[in-house]
Amino acid sequence: DGGITQSPKYLFRKEGQNVTLSCEQNLNHDAMYWYRQDPGQGLRLIYYSQIVNDFQKGDIAEGYSVSREKKESFPLTVTSAQKNPTAFYLCASSEGQRSYGYTFGSGTRLTVV
Amino acid sequence: AQKITQTQPGMFVQEKEAVTLDCTYDTSDPSYGLFWYKQPSSGEMIFLIYQGSYDQQNATEGRYSLNFQKARKSANLVISASQLGDSAMYFCAMRPMNSGYSTLTFGKGTMLLVSP
Repeated sequence: DGGITQSPKYLFRKEGQNVTLSCEQNLNHDAMYWYRQDPGQGLRLIYYSQIVNDFQKGDIAEGYSVSREKKESFPLTVTSAQKNPTAFYLCASSEGQRSYGYTFGSGTRLTVV
Repeated sequence: AQKITQTQPGMFVQEKEAVTLDCTYDTSDPSYGLFWYKQPSSGEMIFLIYQGSYDQQNATEGRYSLNFQKARKSANLVISASQLGDSAMYFCAMRPMNSGYSTLTFGKGTMLLVSP
């Protein structure tokens, strides 16, 4: 079955450490996205990528970095520069520019202690 | 810029009753899409229903319908015959469709609890 796989489901890191969240899709979708979810805040866009080797900042990109070396993969690195990294992170993909549906992964809950 | 407002932090409904979740939006784009997603406690976002700004009729998908009032800029989700499994967070979202590349903007969500 096609879908989006995010791993791990739970992640714990010490303050000051960089951490990379994995997102893999086998839907052959061109576009991929990273959202952050905090309680009472809804989903906020971190980064998105329309095609391989290209990506754009979203609304809250500071302290995060991404890469898109393969169509299937869009990893997110939470750097030590991110002031409050503890959150639920959701990865999504869509077919293209005008497609209206996003397919989401099951998320990674990051806790920084 | 787009903005989505969901004014109900939480809603309670009894099983088998209908419930309406409110959503208002603000955009200057003439062509846009409106979406509703369900997020159960597992965390995954599940797509429920879509309404295009130029669609003449309100969208329906099984027990879900979207009450689209363009002049009022509202896109309320109606769930008929609520089930216990409907207990979840519900997010309204929108995306401009006219030109260029756009992304989904989400509201803050409404927590729905269905009681027996």
